[in-house]
Amino acid sequence: SSELTQDPAVSVALGQTVRITCQGDSLRSYYASWYQQKPGQAPVLVIYGKNNRPSGIPDRFSGSSSGNTASLTITGAQAEDEADYYCNSRDSSGNHLGVFGGGTKLTVL
Amino acid sequence: EVQLVESGGGLVKPGGSLRLSCAASGFTFSSYSMNWVRQAPGKGLEWVSSISSSSSYIYYADSVKGRFTISRDNAKNSLYLQMNSLRAEDTAVYYCARDTSGSRGDAFDIWGQGTMVTVSS
Repeated sequence: SSELTQDPAVSVALGQTVRITCQGDSLRSYYASWYQQKPGQAPVLVIYGKNNRPSGIPDRFSGSSSGNTASLTITGAQAEDEADYYCNSRDSSGNHLGVFGGGTKLTVL
Repeated sequence: EVQLVESGGGLVKPGGSLRLSCAASGFTFSSYSMNWVRQAPGKGLEWVSSISSSSSYIYYADSVKGRFTISRDNAKNSLYLQMNSLRAEDTAVYYCARDTSGSRGDAFDIWGQGTMVTVSS
């Protein structure tokens, strides 16, 4: 198995840029995917692969990776971006997407 | 519309069993690996199990290995999770999720709305 580490909480002023990070050894070999979850709702995929956004995800969301760290950047954060964000990647065997980070609570001030 | 709908959750006593189902629609179910992911109240996401498109490859989290069994019926566009020897720590919302691993990257691109499982006496 593997572990992915995220900061528990991050805040950003409305309209500013925020970066949410995810660290883990598996990220040296595999890209992370990122999920947004609002209270009482199922997670929603926002970024995957090198920097791919599913249809319907605003282009203010972007992803990057360097070494053992993956990042989700929100450029011009909006009030509706306040949510929990989770990273995910393959486990050390590469057989499945079995590793989630602990999640980051994003507050938009 | 691409959709996953879970069912089968409920209240069960410790040591009991429950079978979750996930009905898929709007896509070719038999072409995708599928997963179960759970979330305990107030906690983060935890991957539970994965099954490949033809059921050839199956994986479990250590926390459920030997107690849970994942399966699928491609003719019925359905995914299942048989949960035995349930414990209080299995209490969670259980989501089914589609695995879209491919050339553009790996991810769970479609999620169901979840079904709540409560293990309590």
